[in-house]
Amino acid sequence: QVQVVESGGGVVQPGRSLRLSCAASGFTFTSYAMHWVRQAPGKGMEWVAVISYDGSNKYYADSVKGRFTISRDNSKNTLHLQMNSLRAEDTALYYCAKDIVVVGVSTGPPRGFDPWGQGTLVIVSS
Amino acid sequence: QSALTQPASVSGSPGQSIAISCTGTNSDVGAYNYVSWYQQHPGKAPKLMIYDVSDRPSGVSNRFSGSKSGNTASLTISGLQAEDEADYFCSSYTSSTTLVFGGGTKLTVL
Repeated sequence: QVQVVESGGGVVQPGRSLRLSCAASGFTFTSYAMHWVRQAPGKGMEWVAVISYDGSNKYYADSVKGRFTISRDNSKNTLHLQMNSLRAEDTALYYCAKDIVVVGVSTGPPRGFDPWGQGTLVIVSS
Repeated sequence: QSALTQPASVSGSPGQSIAISCTGTNSDVGAYNYVSWYQQHPGKAPKLMIYDVSDRPSGVSNRFSGSKSGNTASLTISGLQAEDEADYFCSSYTSSTTLVFGGGTKLTVL
């Protein structure tokens, strides 16, 4: 069963840091780019970041660039999101998602999300 | 990167067809055939319904179809069923090597 499970959310004060993790199973982790997506309370989805299958390429939304770092450990089938200098507007449910493009099989850039995890909640508040 | 534009809500009766639009720009929807659609029931994780404008993942009902014209993509659901009541949102790849979402559309089955 292909699945991703997020962890690491919690309540954190503004300006502090938090590290999210995503455990992947049921698929060849090294064949897919991986994404972080978030949804603030009552708002729509916001794409956060993507990392290529081998970790060599990383792209970020302007809203988190310079503060968040996406990384992966292919030996442990795990994705991470290091979040620094957190702000109130970073409060959201954070989802991990596998990309739809299979490296070596499909062509084109990372461009879709399947499956999604259940999310981990991050609340930035003093 | 501005969010893609979707109607806040649409509704239809069982058996009818509805369409949800997703309007972007010539830097995202209009530039690439990389639009995806997702279904999300309350409290559940989103589910991929359509990718690359009109491709359907295995296991997704053929009542769901996608299309695109210019800067606007559309999701059509035919033979509407009660279980289709959910939030739907689109996403697109962009020329900035990022992805952008629509604001989401609440589908009500009357």
